[in-house]
Amino acid sequence: EPEVTQTPSHQVTQMGQEVILRCVPISNHLYFYWYRQILGQKVEFLVSFYNNEISEKSEIFDDQFSVERPDGSNFTLKIRSTKLEDSAMYFCASQGVPYEQYFGPGTRLTVT
Amino acid sequence: AQKITQTQPGMFVQEKEAVTLDCTYDTSDQSYGLFWYKQPSSGEMIFLIYQGSYDEQNATEGRYSLNFQKARKSANLVISASQLGDSAMYFCAMREGLVNTGNQFYFGTGTSLTVIP
Repeated sequence: EPEVTQTPSHQVTQMGQEVILRCVPISNHLYFYWYRQILGQKVEFLVSFYNNEISEKSEIFDDQFSVERPDGSNFTLKIRSTKLEDSAMYFCASQGVPYEQYFGPGTRLTVT
Repeated sequence: AQKITQTQPGMFVQEKEAVTLDCTYDTSDQSYGLFWYKQPSSGEMIFLIYQGSYDEQNATEGRYSLNFQKARKSANLVISASQLGDSAMYFCAMREGLVNTGNQFYFGTGTSLTVIP
């Protein structure tokens, strides 16, 4: 069964550093998403991506964040100048038709 | 207002018994989809079941069924014959709009289910 993969599984970084979280969505899917889940809290939407551009983003997704799909397979989330409060599990998801979003296993980001 | 409300932070169920996890939603859209995901302690999000707003029948997937009450805006998950492996967090989610769009999911705060042997 096709699956969404994410690397790394765990990333530790120092405050102020840049991190890039990587995702390989399911190959024939059209929509791609990033969500985050702060420990013990609900899953929060960050951004959706379709046809090589952002289609929707939340208030969380400010100038510190960016996404791109550089090579048609990888889908990356870049966080510039990380803050302590960016520590969370980051989930990538992809969606084909008709409706289901498949989630990756997540990247746990720890900012120290 | 919250889009998705899950009022049960924690639930316990005896093995082999059925359990209902509550979910209510808030939307003014006519087209929307309702989803349940399971999140075990390992952290991944596992899709369980989907109900479309226009579906007349309650969705079922194996031991999972969705009790969809549109007028009450509720989409409760029923797990029959609970197993120890069902112990996990369960999240209700909604996507507004047509089914084949890429709109975001709104998640509830989750219910932690513990299955007791």
